[in-house]
Amino acid sequence: KAGVTQTPRYLIKTRGQQVTLSCSPISGHRSVSWYQQTPGQGLQFLFEYFSETQRNKGNFPGRFSGRQFSNSRSEMNVSTLELGDSALYLCASSSGDSINTIYFGEGSWLTVV
Amino acid sequence: AQSVTQPDIHITVSEGASLELRCNYSYGATPYLFWYVQSPGQGLQLLLKYFSGDTLVQGIKGFEAEFKRSQSSFNLRKPSVHWSDAAEYFCAVESPGGTYKYIFGTGTRLKVLA
Repeated sequence: KAGVTQTPRYLIKTRGQQVTLSCSPISGHRSVSWYQQTPGQGLQFLFEYFSETQRNKGNFPGRFSGRQFSNSRSEMNVSTLELGDSALYLCASSSGDSINTIYFGEGSWLTVV
Repeated sequence: AQSVTQPDIHITVSEGASLELRCNYSYGATPYLFWYVQSPGQGLQLLLKYFSGDTLVQGIKGFEAEFKRSQSSFNLRKPSVHWSDAAEYFCAVESPGGTYKYIFGTGTRLKVLA
């Protein structure tokens, strides 16, 4: 069974630009969640989607948004990039049941210059 | 507020030595508990999890963890460390009933001496 796939793996953007990251969950998983990992803040929850609905959201500004498609694939978008948005963005998928185990992808490394 | 504490930022052990990584959580009820490992430049891999029942759980790669309710702890152990275990280890909790949000500790970076 293929794991969680994230694209692109690496990207460099300029301050003020926007970026879209993509995530394909494990086959059969209907929940996708996103986390930001930085050396200073560690792993922080961005949002979680299940059946195209956002069920929970972390404490990030509105520049961070996401969506999920009917095939469970998900995208997250960051608009008006700031230097502090440089991070590893990790996508995780799960069945979405109440007893929930999430499985992570390799992540997308974003550098904002 | 829920929180997870990993008191040790760095740990160095010799290959073949035993290992214990500490994790304490702060939560009103018993959360679901997890340990993940992250190799440099990679995503997180699930080592083991605790939902209920037997307080000693076995995971992959020879790791185990023990849940102690009285101490609000979920420490990770391995009897004999291999050089390939060098990585960063994260403890995480999730609220039962489904907030669908994991809270992670700050991680413990393990160095293994040959």
